[in-house]
This record gives sequence, C-alpha cells and structure tokens, in this order.
Amino acid sequence: NAGVTQTPKFQVLKTGQSMTLQCAQDMNHNSMYWYRQDPGMGLRLIYYSASEGTTDKGEVPNGYNVSRLNKREFSLRLESAAPSQTSVYFCASSVLPVTGELFFGEGSRLTVL
Amino acid sequence: GESVGLHLPTLSVQEGDNSIINCAYSNSASDYFIWYKQESGKGPQFIIDIRSNMDKRQGQRVTVLLNKTVKHLSLQIAATQPGDSAVYFCAEKRPGKDSSYKLIFGSGTRLLVRP
Repeated sequence: NAGVTQTPKFQVLKTGQSMTLQCAQDMNHNSMYWYRQDPGMGLRLIYYSASEGTTDKGEVPNGYNVSRLNKREFSLRLESAAPSQTSVYFCASSVLPVTGELFFGEGSRLTVL
Repeated sequence: GESVGLHLPTLSVQEGDNSIINCAYSNSASDYFIWYKQESGKGPQFIIDIRSNMDKRQGQRVTVLLNKTVKHLSLQIAATQPGDSAVYFCAEKRPGKDSSYKLIFGSGTRLLVRP
C-alpha cells in the first residue's frame, strides 16, 4: 500500500525552464492538495482539488498550474520556473475536502538556479 | 533529510516531562483544527483534530485544547519521549470564497527532547 507517491523526489531547474510534479494516491481519496514548504515557514497551500473535476486556488497559486487527471492523480506544473519557487513541495490527499486526516507524500525538493 | 525549518520556535523538554505546544489562529470563523507532526525528511503526519464545538479532545498521550475566546490552540504531550522530537504544526479550516474552505497551516514549533 503505497499511500501518496510523488515524483520526482529531487529536481534542479534553470530559471525559465518548465516542469511537472506528479502525485498519485491509491487510497481512493476524493480530495488532493499541493503545498510548498520553505525554511522557517509552515506549509502554504498552492492549489487543491476537492473532488475529481474541480480545482481551486490556495494561498500562493501564482506561477503554478494544476491538473486533476483522474481520481488518483493530481499534477503541479511550473511553466517558467523562478528562483523564488525553490522549495520542498508536498502532495496530500484526504477522504473529505479539508476535513479529517490529510495523508502526505514524502516531498519533492526543487531547486531553481 | 529535508530541512523543514531553520528558524522555527523551539521547545526543549526533558524526556518524561509533559510538553505544551501553542498555536494562535486569526480567523474567528475557522471551525476545525488539526495538529500535525513532521519528522526530518518526511511529510507531515496527522496527530489529532478538534471541532470548534469542543474545548478539549484527548488521544493517546496527546490532548488538544481550544480556546475560541482568544483564538488559541494547544497540544499537550504527556510523558514526552525521544520519538516525539519533530516539528509540530497546527492547521485550521478557514472559510474562503463561494462557500469553499481551505486548510491553512501555521509556521510550526520544533520540539527537542533531551535524554
């Protein structure tokens, strides 16, 4: 039982490059989330998907796009990476939107040079 | 492992003592709160939650207290163990636009347990 799986775990980009972070969950959860975590700060919500077919902006959506590909998968895309997007990115899922336990992946560390 | 925060507030306690971690929230309309634990190099893990119609909820060795008057939340850990060393986050379910809700995390507290 894998839970929440994120790929890649590490990535280095140059400014202006694009990339997609992939997230998949095998728990049949309805809701999925993308957070970023910077040193000295808590997790900040980028985007979330309360259910398949819906997505909503979180606290810091600028510079990102998301796709809820199906119930299992929720991807995060950086179209033109900036050094300010250097962070650790966490994907999470839950049975109900915004309520109950969120199950987190192990994180993806992104460095933008 | 991943560095989760170099300048977080830190609470240092002796093994076996009780720990109290505090959290303030800003939105009086928030009606649901969760505590998470994050160990180095890992994603956050759920500890306990509480709804705003409760003042206290207990789990195994943990108690969450909610004071809505001053918008304050605390996590008490009894008989703190070395395995409790981690960063602890509170999170609140905050109303957003169009009847939507967002789960917003606080900045975290690092708990260090001295042997």
